[in-house]
Amino acid sequence: DAGVTQSPTHLIKTRGQQVTLRCSPKSGHDTVSWYQQALGQGPQFIFQYYEEEERQRGNFPDRFSGHQFPNYSSELNVNALLLGDSALYLCASSPTIYPQETQYFGPGTRLLVL
Amino acid sequence: GNSVTQMEGPVTLSEEAFLTINCTYTATGYPSLFWYVQYPGEGLQLLLKATKADDKGSNKGFEATYRKETTSFHLEKGSVQVSDSAVYFCALSPYGGATNKLIFGTGTLLAVQP
Repeated sequence: DAGVTQSPTHLIKTRGQQVTLRCSPKSGHDTVSWYQQALGQGPQFIFQYYEEEERQRGNFPDRFSGHQFPNYSSELNVNALLLGDSALYLCASSPTIYPQETQYFGPGTRLLVL
Repeated sequence: GNSVTQMEGPVTLSEEAFLTINCTYTATGYPSLFWYVQYPGEGLQLLLKATKADDKGSNKGFEATYRKETTSFHLEKGSVQVSDSAVYFCALSPYGGATNKLIFGTGTLLAVQP
């Protein structure tokens, strides 16, 4: 049983560009969350998708957007990249949206913005 | 608001030493509490969790007890190994929230020396 997978593993972009990160949830999971982890910090919640809709959003600007597909996989898009967007982007999945459910994390995509 | 405070690292121990990493939280209601571990260059792995007061989560020799009266969830292990060297994150999922989003502490680096 594959766990949460993310692609690509590493990415280098320049300021002003746009980037798309991808996530496939663990089998049987229908909820996908995205987190940003800056160097030396804890992950920060970006948003969560359930039933192809954004259900909750953290304190991130509109440059950060996402999508969930009918097979539950998800994309994170970041427009007009800033140097400060350099971070490890983590995807997490869970079987439902409810607070008692544990989230399982993928290995992350490391984004470097030059 | 909801927040998690962890002891700052790094924590440096000799093999077979006793480990305590302190974690306190601020939350309304009764959140679920988690410890995640991050090995170098990897994503987050769930270590243990507790969903109600006085619950004890345990895994791989690690333990943490949900203490509502002190709003704490300290991580302990009786005898650490070199392979336990990693960054440990305490996190909460707010009770009554719309989703199971996680709020993380800043992480504590543990270095175990042979």
